[in-house]
Amino acid sequence: AQTVTQSQPEMSVQEAETVTLSCTYDTSESDYYLFWYKQPPSRQMILVIRQEAYKQQNATENRFSVNFQKAAKSFSLKISDSQLGDAAMYFCAGVRDSNYQLIWGAGTKLIIKP
Amino acid sequence: DAGVTQSPTHLIKTRGQHVTLRCSPISGHKSVSWYQQVLGQGPQFIFQYYEKEERGRGNFPDRFSARQFPNYSSELNVNALLLGDSALYLCASSLGGGLGELFFGEGSRLTVL
Repeated sequence: AQTVTQSQPEMSVQEAETVTLSCTYDTSESDYYLFWYKQPPSRQMILVIRQEAYKQQNATENRFSVNFQKAAKSFSLKISDSQLGDAAMYFCAGVRDSNYQLIWGAGTKLIIKP
Repeated sequence: DAGVTQSPTHLIKTRGQHVTLRCSPISGHKSVSWYQQVLGQGPQFIFQYYEKEERGRGNFPDRFSARQFPNYSSELNVNALLLGDSALYLCASSLGGGLGELFFGEGSRLTVL
């Protein structure tokens, strides 16, 4: 079985500062993929960043980067230079290589203070 | 280019009724997945279809069914609605049936009274 745990229901950060959102992905599989999705009030899920478990290098997309610690089952998202438009629910999700079903965490609400 | 479109955006039903939700994928995408997102929770996988065949099914009762049409659009049907079926139903499309990026629609908000 796979489980995705996000232990921070809500986080807040001052505009222009850096914030880190936490996620743990528990699986017995060796090949899997991890994702961070953003869901603004418009409800549409938007892919923020993706990490393949077999890759040792952490993924980076502009101001967004991940810290993937495979042994610790940790997959955190770092947002640098936070902007007001980053305010949203952030969901961590994972999928096994042999499966197409995304397993999601409960989400973290990110608040950006101007 | 149009993104994933879902209809209706909002609907209200009563217990025991039936509902049909529709999804049009991005042009050229052959895979459609359905997720249920109860308020305050992460989405739960319901179905995936690829090339009109069911590729995967989540832990949902047989009251939930879906299909994909030759133009790759999809319908999600829920029979005998329960209060607990109240949720946001998300449709996502992807180019292939593998682990490519999922593109989501804005969802259909179902309220069961």
